[in-house]
Amino acid sequence: DAKTTQPNSMESNEEEPVHLPCNHSTISGTDYIHWYRQLPSQGPEYVIHGLTSNVNNRMASLAIAEDRKSSTLILHRATLRDAAVYYCILKIGGADGLTFGKGTHLIIQP
Amino acid sequence: NAGVTQTPKFQVLKTGQSMTLQCAQDMNHEYMSWYRQDPGMGLRLIHYSVGAGITDQGEVPNGYNVSRSTTEDFPLRLLSAAPSQTSVYFCASSYITTSGQETQYFGPGTRLLVL
Repeated sequence: DAKTTQPNSMESNEEEPVHLPCNHSTISGTDYIHWYRQLPSQGPEYVIHGLTSNVNNRMASLAIAEDRKSSTLILHRATLRDAAVYYCILKIGGADGLTFGKGTHLIIQP
Repeated sequence: NAGVTQTPKFQVLKTGQSMTLQCAQDMNHEYMSWYRQDPGMGLRLIHYSVGAGITDQGEVPNGYNVSRSTTEDFPLRLLSAAPSQTSVYFCASSYITTSGQETQYFGPGTRLLVL
């Protein structure tokens, strides 16, 4: 499986945008980019996924580089409730589970 | 909908004891999986199921058994608990999107301590 690299931690201020980077230089043409987040003492929750084009939903936006070797999860206006560990995951397809790395611990300052 | 439910929330076992972690989902999802999460780490896949009667091993299956007799339930059995199985266990159910991608919904977890 292709590997992802994320910063261990990031800090941001409340009500400001947050850009969470993910590098995946060995991504294959059929790998989708998934993002999940895990709030303290909870199970992970799905955030967004995409293949080539940028994607938006009610939680976040996903910006994918043209060469697909990196992507950025964008939280447009962070709140304290967005403090979590964010995981960037590559997956070809199928229903055989996800491979989680250590993710990025996002700290939101009031 | 309750989503994915797990019981118990907490459990303390002695080495060598056996127990079953329960997982149920009410979203009629075909796919279910079990993960463990050790402190400061990401989740690791233990077993998964693509439908009733079908299970397969994940990354760390040793010491665990699963079965899937119904769509709703996917219990995880520890046959003879060891201290190395102290962890937080998460169950997930999932569906496949129109783009062929698996989207998972996770339960709240079971915290297990093996003494």
